[in-house]
Formats: sequence, structure tokens, C-alpha cells
Amino acid sequence: AQKITQTQPGMFVQEKEAVTLDCTYDTSDQSYGLFWYKQPSSGEMIFLIYQGSYDEQNATEGRYSLNFQKARKSANLVISASQLGDSAMYFCAMREVNTGTASKLTFGTGTRLQVTL
Amino acid sequence: EAQVTQNPRYLITVTGKKLTVTCSQNMNHEYMSWYRQDPGLGLRQIYYSMNVEVTDKGDVPEGYKVSRKEKRNFPLILESPSPNQTSLYFCASSLIGLKADTQYFGPGTRLTVL
Repeated sequence: AQKITQTQPGMFVQEKEAVTLDCTYDTSDQSYGLFWYKQPSSGEMIFLIYQGSYDEQNATEGRYSLNFQKARKSANLVISASQLGDSAMYFCAMREVNTGTASKLTFGTGTRLQVTL
Repeated sequence: EAQVTQNPRYLITVTGKKLTVTCSQNMNHEYMSWYRQDPGLGLRQIYYSMNVEVTDKGDVPEGYKVSRKEKRNFPLILESPSPNQTSLYFCASSLIGLKADTQYFGPGTRLTVL
């Protein structure tokens, strides 16, 4: 069974600094996708970044990058130049492709990031 | 605009009173899913559907029903709500398999069962 682990319940970062949010996963599937979502206090789920298991390059989207280390089964989110608006809950999620529920997302428990002045 | 809509956004009800939360997507996605979010537990899948008339249980299906009569709609039904179903509910949709590089989430429905 797939599993996502986020070991940091809460993180603080100073404005303009970079921060890394940890995510490790467990799967026996060779083909899978990894996702990060942001959930601000308003509650909606905002898709940030996606990494496929066969992608050779680490995914980047603006200030977000995914540090994908396949052998370690980790998919850490790096936010560069933090802004006050980055304060939110962040969820790591995984989708296994070669299963009957090919689009099911399994989520971690989340990391609450607080950006300070 | 591509989107997933849910209604209502907020609902307070009492134990045992049947309710339906609607979900609709305009992206012609095959896959639709319901999740509930509880503090410290992340999002857990309730039910999902791979296409019209094809539904299956997720990880926490007890106390819920769904239907998929049309591709765009995937309502969540609570026949007899109980206080432990107080939660934040999300509907999501996506393409299937290798094409599914993201899931699109609705805005969420905050349900309180008294």
C-alpha cells in the first residue's frame, strides 16, 4: 500500500529565505506521480507542482521546486524567497499509475508553514 | 473557466437528516473523487468514480453514498449523518492514468453535524 509521510507538523521561515518541506513516500509501483498542494486559511486546495517517477529532471514552477530523490523515496518541496502569502498548510500526495485506482491520490498529514517578517 | 464546483460551501445539520453535497466539473474528466479532511489526518478518500455508472469505495466509505449518472456530476449523499462526519469535504476530478498530472479540487464543503 502506498503511504506518504510528512514529519514536520509545523515550520517557521523568515521572509525572503528559502525553506524545504519534507516528504517521503512508500510504494512498490515503478510508475507513480508526486504532487504538492497548498491550502491557505481559506481552505481551497491549490496545486503547486508535479513530478513523475520517470522524469529525469526535478520539477520547477516559479519559486517552487521539487527535490526528487528516487532511491531515497523522497520528494521535498523547496520554496525560494518566501513571502508572507506562502503561509499555509502544504500537502504532499502520491498517485500510483499501474493500479486499478490509477488516479487516486494518497495524502500526507501536511506541514503548516508560517512565514515571519 | 475550467473548474470543479461544490454546493453548499457550508452546511450545519442535525443527526439523521439526509443531505446531499453536489459536485460538478466542466473539464470532461473521467475520474471524480470525494475526500474528507480532518485535523492531523490529511485528506482521505471516501469514494471515487472512473466513469459514468462506475463507482467504488475509497478508504473511508462508511456512512456515505455516491452516484455517477452523468459524467460531469458526482454527488455525495449522507443518508443519516452523524457527528463523526463533521469535516471538510472536497470533490476532485482528473483525467485517468498517465494523463492525470494533476487533480482539480472544488472549493470544499464545511459540514457540521450536531
